[in-house]
Amino acid sequence: QVQLQESGPRLVKPSQTLSLTCSVSGGSITSGGYYWSWVRQHPGKGLEWIGHIYFSGTTNYNPALKSRLTISFDTSLNHFSLRLTSVTAADTAMYFCARGRGYSGYDVFDSWGQGTQVNVSS
Amino acid sequence: SSELTQDPAVSVALGQTVTITCQGDSLESYFATWYQQKPRQAPAVVFYGHNKRPSGIPDRFSGSTSRNTASLTITGARAEDEADYYCSSRDTSGDHVIFGEGTKLTVL
Repeated sequence: QVQLQESGPRLVKPSQTLSLTCSVSGGSITSGGYYWSWVRQHPGKGLEWIGHIYFSGTTNYNPALKSRLTISFDTSLNHFSLRLTSVTAADTAMYFCARGRGYSGYDVFDSWGQGTQVNVSS
Repeated sequence: SSELTQDPAVSVALGQTVTITCQGDSLESYFATWYQQKPRQAPAVVFYGHNKRPSGIPDRFSGSTSRNTASLTITGARAEDEADYYCSSRDTSGDHVIFGEGTKLTVL
């Protein structure tokens, strides 16, 4: 069973860059058919899709974050990463990584990390 | 459209049946996937596609779609079903994933 684990700084200063890594175990990020995603949840709010990356390197990003966002992977370390620049307090959230799979007519995030809380504050 | 609309809160008496709905234009092209999230936990999928349930999810969870509305039904609700429920699909462009705002289910 694949397991995902987020890591990275819990506190980021405004205007700086938020960088998180999701380590994948029990499976390879090069596994065909899957994509690797980031989802966040503002305090007391709902889920927000951030974006995802396919093994091919193709990315899809939330249009609201696209100008500040980069998702990449490192196959040698079997992990993928999120980089969000110019953060503000509005980026304070719980960040989840997840494995997704697209089918004809639907997508499923079938494995999730436990989440990591990131606070943006000076 | 890039929105999925859910009722903020729904309640059900223990053992009764409850339906949580999700409305959006994208649901005319895509099935909804339903996630359950309990406090301080990551979401977990409970229903997806055309009548699919992950292994380990009890068959009291079922789903359906009609036009632009997807529904998740819990038949015989149990105390452990109390959670937030989110629907998800692609947006109408097909390029992006979207989530509903979530429905807080209270089991009385």
